[in-house]
Amino acid sequence: NAGVMQNPRHLVRRRGQEARLRCSPMKGHSHVYWYRQLPEEGLKFMVYLQKENIIDESGMPKERFSAEFPKEGPSILRIQQVVRGDSAAYFCASSPPTLNNEQFFGPGTRLTVL
Amino acid sequence: SQQGEEDPQALSIQEGENATMNCSYKTSINNLQWYRQNSGRGLVHLILIRSNEREKHSGRLRVTLDTSKKSSSLLITASRAADTASYFCATDVRGSGGYQKVTFGTGTKLQVIP
Repeated sequence: NAGVMQNPRHLVRRRGQEARLRCSPMKGHSHVYWYRQLPEEGLKFMVYLQKENIIDESGMPKERFSAEFPKEGPSILRIQQVVRGDSAAYFCASSPPTLNNEQFFGPGTRLTVL
Repeated sequence: SQQGEEDPQALSIQEGENATMNCSYKTSINNLQWYRQNSGRGLVHLILIRSNEREKHSGRLRVTLDTSKKSSSLLITASRAADTASYFCATDVRGSGGYQKVTFGTGTKLQVIP
């Protein structure tokens, strides 16, 4: 049973470009969470999705950021018109639909904006 | 401010010694979890303790929870160089829509010197 997969592992973009980060949850997991981690800081919640639904996006910036988890395929975190401040590690986690809520994390995507 | 805040921010000990990290939080919780993150890597789930539990063990790890003080501690006994990592506490609170929202603390950076 493969763990949570994220790709790419490293992404370099110039200011103004778009960044697309992908997350494939563990098999059987229908809940996906995205977090952002700035250097030397903890993880900040961004968005929680279930298949085809955004449940909680309270941690996501209102502009330029969007997330989706389609019926088929991975979850996508999309950042439009990236700025230097978007440089961070973006982690995806998945969990099964149980009360335990243990989240399993992917290896992260490190985004660098030049 | 963060729901969970770890103390100390950084800890350096000799191999073989015990390491204790503390976490304080603000609101009532359902569960509290501890995660470990090696430099540049994703998070690894260590242990979950429920709000009605006071202590839990897993190998060399011992976690305590005091809901009256809204605090938890993680003890690593007989530390090894391989324990060098950042440790985060994460609290589950009920988010909008009834799901359990996980909020991470700021982390304790542990260095175990061989």
